[in-house]
Amino acid sequence: QSVLTQPPSASGTPGQRVTISCSGSSSNIGSNYVYWYQQLPGTAPKLLIYRNNQRPSGVPDRFSGSKSGTSASLAISGLRSEDEADYYCAAWDDSLSGSVVFGGGTKLTVL
Amino acid sequence: EVQLVESGGGLVQPGGSLRLSCAASGFTVSSNYMSWVRQAPGKGLEWVSVIYSGGSTYYADSVKGRFTISRDNSKNTLYLQMNSLRAEDTAVYYCARENLERGFDYWGQGTLVTVSS
Repeated sequence: QSVLTQPPSASGTPGQRVTISCSGSSSNIGSNYVYWYQQLPGTAPKLLIYRNNQRPSGVPDRFSGSKSGTSASLAISGLRSEDEADYYCAAWDDSLSGSVVFGGGTKLTVL
Repeated sequence: EVQLVESGGGLVQPGGSLRLSCAASGFTVSSNYMSWVRQAPGKGLEWVSVIYSGGSTYYADSVKGRFTISRDNSKNTLYLQMNSLRAEDTAVYYCARENLERGFDYWGQGTLVTVSS
């Protein structure tokens, strides 16, 4: 069982907006930044969102992140076929020295 | 250009040992936090270990006492010594640079470790 909770799957049609939730606790999301990673099939994860809502250069503004209390969410607008991937949320956890905790991942299918 | 290249994975019997390497270029390993993250077949990501720029090390409970993270500053390379391997350690192991602002901002391509008799 992952420390952070994500829905195992999500789906949408091209052009739609989809959101993926991530739920944690006061020791992780509640007191630290949330990060989102995208993992395309057969590849290494890639940083998608940092510090709750910041996009690294090169990440389209179709991707946005938000955080409230002990929950966070990733929104993808204008869904495209190339967005089909696994998405993971992550945060440092103050109750576990040095450790980062991940969500179980959400597989996004573009119908 | 920042690049991380892992090596050292393979098939090992339960109870055996393996050392993974992660050669970095484009930045200095010793000036950064460096982590290992693994992914079991068909499963999600699991943080394994981190070494801070100051040298402090931390481990997930699942590997504590069996795995050791280290670095060679002269080679700009990160290592993960894995002892007393178990079937549940079977995974792709990624090294990643851990940035306090940006999280895991660079990842290697991963190396597969299979623990089986």
